[in-house]
Amino acid sequence: GNSVTQMEGPVTLSEEAFLTINCTYTATGYPSLFWYVQYPGEGLQLLLKATKADDKGSNKGFEATYRKETTSFHLEKGSVQVSDSAVYFCALYQRDNNNDMRFGAGTRLTVKP
Amino acid sequence: DTGVSQDPRHKITKRGQNVTFRCDPISEHNRLYWYRQTLGQGPEFLTYFQNEAQLEKSRLLSDRFSAERPKGSFSTLEIQRTEQGDSAMYLCASSLSFSSDTQYFGPGTRLTVL
Repeated sequence: GNSVTQMEGPVTLSEEAFLTINCTYTATGYPSLFWYVQYPGEGLQLLLKATKADDKGSNKGFEATYRKETTSFHLEKGSVQVSDSAVYFCALYQRDNNNDMRFGAGTRLTVKP
Repeated sequence: DTGVSQDPRHKITKRGQNVTFRCDPISEHNRLYWYRQTLGQGPEFLTYFQNEAQLEKSRLLSDRFSAERPKGSFSTLEIQRTEQGDSAMYLCASSLSFSSDTQYFGPGTRLTVL
């Protein structure tokens, strides 16, 4: 079945450092791919998405490119801020396959000033 | 657009008791999803509705769990005879059916079973 594997955390960075959180997926067809962010005590917020190969999703300085050849959707940001501290979840959704969103285990990011 | 809301935000109960959670989706969204999230893990799909019809249930949804969406608006998730293993965050999400890949999540209900 479909699944998502993402980089284990926690990840600790200094402010303005470069961020990469790796995500790879397994799917039989052509899923849509997502990054969600969860701040302490809150629900998940959609950060960005890509719906087909080579699409790049971007939002708030974060970006991720849908790479079908490597089945990856790595999250990057050039310069992180303390306010980016949160848990990041990679997810996939395939409309014709159970209609459920499959999530990775999450990666906790802490950014220190 | 007031977002997805869930009530209560926290629930502490004793093992064996029944609990019920409510989710109010974004008003024009006809799809509603329930997920469970345990500590250190990503959300796991439980079930979803399109309007009032429950179209899919995960194997995670044991017989003690039941969900309803009687008028195609708000939904309830009931857990009967709670067990300690039911302790988790229960998340609700909603979407439009034609853009069902974009789901909007509520803040969750954290259940603690003592």
